[in-house]
Amino acid sequence: QQQVKQSPQSLIVQKGGIPIINCAYENTAFDYFPWYQQFPGKGPALLIAIRPDVSEKKEGRFTISFNKSAKQFSLHIMDSQPGDSATYFCAASMQGGSEKLVFGKGTKLTVNP
Amino acid sequence: NAGVTQTPKFQVLKTGQSMTLQCAQDMNHNSMYWYRQDPGMGLRLIYYSASEGTTDKGEVPNGYNVSRLNKREFSLRLESAAPSQTSVYFCASSARRVSGGEKLFFGSGTQLSVL
Repeated sequence: QQQVKQSPQSLIVQKGGIPIINCAYENTAFDYFPWYQQFPGKGPALLIAIRPDVSEKKEGRFTISFNKSAKQFSLHIMDSQPGDSATYFCAASMQGGSEKLVFGKGTKLTVNP
Repeated sequence: NAGVTQTPKFQVLKTGQSMTLQCAQDMNHNSMYWYRQDPGMGLRLIYYSASEGTTDKGEVPNGYNVSRLNKREFSLRLESAAPSQTSVYFCASSARRVSGGEKLFFGSGTQLSVL
C-alpha cells in the first residue's frame, strides 16, 4: 500500500516556468512533510520541509503548499532554472525517527534553457 | 567534512556471490539507514539502526543483513546475491531538526548489478 502518492512521474518546463509537483497522503497521523532533491549520481538532499500547522512555507524559489483537509501538499519552483533539473521526492512521517519516513516515487524534472 | 561515505561506488556480482557494502558517517549521528532505489519505486528502507548496538528491519529486508559496527559505521551484506537485488543502494544518517522532524544525510550511493 503506497502511503504517499506523487505526481507527475516526469515534468519538462522551460526556463523561468513554475513546475508544480503534487503529493497526496492517506494517514492523518503524518505530521512532517519533507521534500528531497536528487541530482544524477548523487544521494538525495533535504530541500524544504513543512509541518501541518502552516499552509505554506517558502525558502528562496521553493515553496511548499499544504492542504490539510485535502491531505495534499505540493512543491512549486519559481523562476525555474536548468540547474533545478533533478529528481524530487516528497515524503511524510509521524512522530519518531526517519525509519517512519515514507517516500513518494519521485518526479524527474527537466528545465530546458 | 566528509558526511556519509559509502564504498564501493560500483559493483558487479554474479548470482550467488556475496558482498558487503560499507558506510561511515562523521557527524556523530545516532541513527543510520540503508535504502535501495529502483526506477519508479522511490526510496525503500532496507534496515536501520536507531543507535549503536541495535538494528531493525525496514520495508524490504529479505536477502540482506546489517551490522552496526560502532557509532560511525553501518554495513549492509548480501549473502547470496540475486538479480532482483540489482539496484542503487544509499546509506544515510539522520539528525533532529530544531523546527521538528529529522533531516536525512545521504551518501552518494553504490550502483550494484547482479548478473
